[in-house]
Amino acid sequence: GENVEQHPSTLSVQEGDSAVIKCTYSDSASNYFPWYKQELGKRPQLIIDIRSNVGEKKDQRIAVTLNKTAKHFSLHITETQPEDSAVYFCAAISNDYKLSFGAGTTVTVRA
Amino acid sequence: DAGVIQSPRHEVTEMGQEVTLRCKPISGHNSLFWYRQTMMRGLELLIYFNNNVPIDDSGMPEDRFSAKMPNASFSTLKIQPSEPRDSAVYFCASSSLGGPYEQYFGPGTRLTVT
Repeated sequence: GENVEQHPSTLSVQEGDSAVIKCTYSDSASNYFPWYKQELGKRPQLIIDIRSNVGEKKDQRIAVTLNKTAKHFSLHITETQPEDSAVYFCAAISNDYKLSFGAGTTVTVRA
Repeated sequence: DAGVIQSPRHEVTEMGQEVTLRCKPISGHNSLFWYRQTMMRGLELLIYFNNNVPIDDSGMPEDRFSAKMPNASFSTLKIQPSEPRDSAVYFCASSSLGGPYEQYFGPGTRLTVT
């Protein structure tokens, strides 16, 4: 099955700085890579995703990049704000429709 | 759209009791997933259904856990008998089989077994 590894496990950034979270996956057949944000006590919410036929996708202050050759993908948050503080999960889906999640990154934005 | 609906939102029970968690997926979605989240193990997929049929239950921890989906708008996850180590947040999620693959999560059920 798919194995997704996520780094770092915790990330503290100064407000206004950028945050980068990196994930690797093992199954070369994986073709969909979503990112979820989970605030304390809340459900995971999809914030952005990328498909295997695209190398980069951007939505306002967040962007994702995908390197299929190296089997890694990253989340970039620019101009971080206090409301960006949360746990972020990367995931990958293969032909079996199962989402395999990374272990999560706790992001803290310092004011 | 009301999104994925789960009930109850909180459940406190004593060890040995039966627990039933309920989920209503988003209308029109034909894939349904049950996850468990703990600090130690993160988000774990327990079982998922396509068109009401269980496809993969390899994540179900043991025989005490069972799940059903009698129709397209309802699913249950049952634990019998419950144990303290079952304490976790249980999420249900739904998506459209065949794409798009986005999974939408319900609010979760926080289960505490004493």
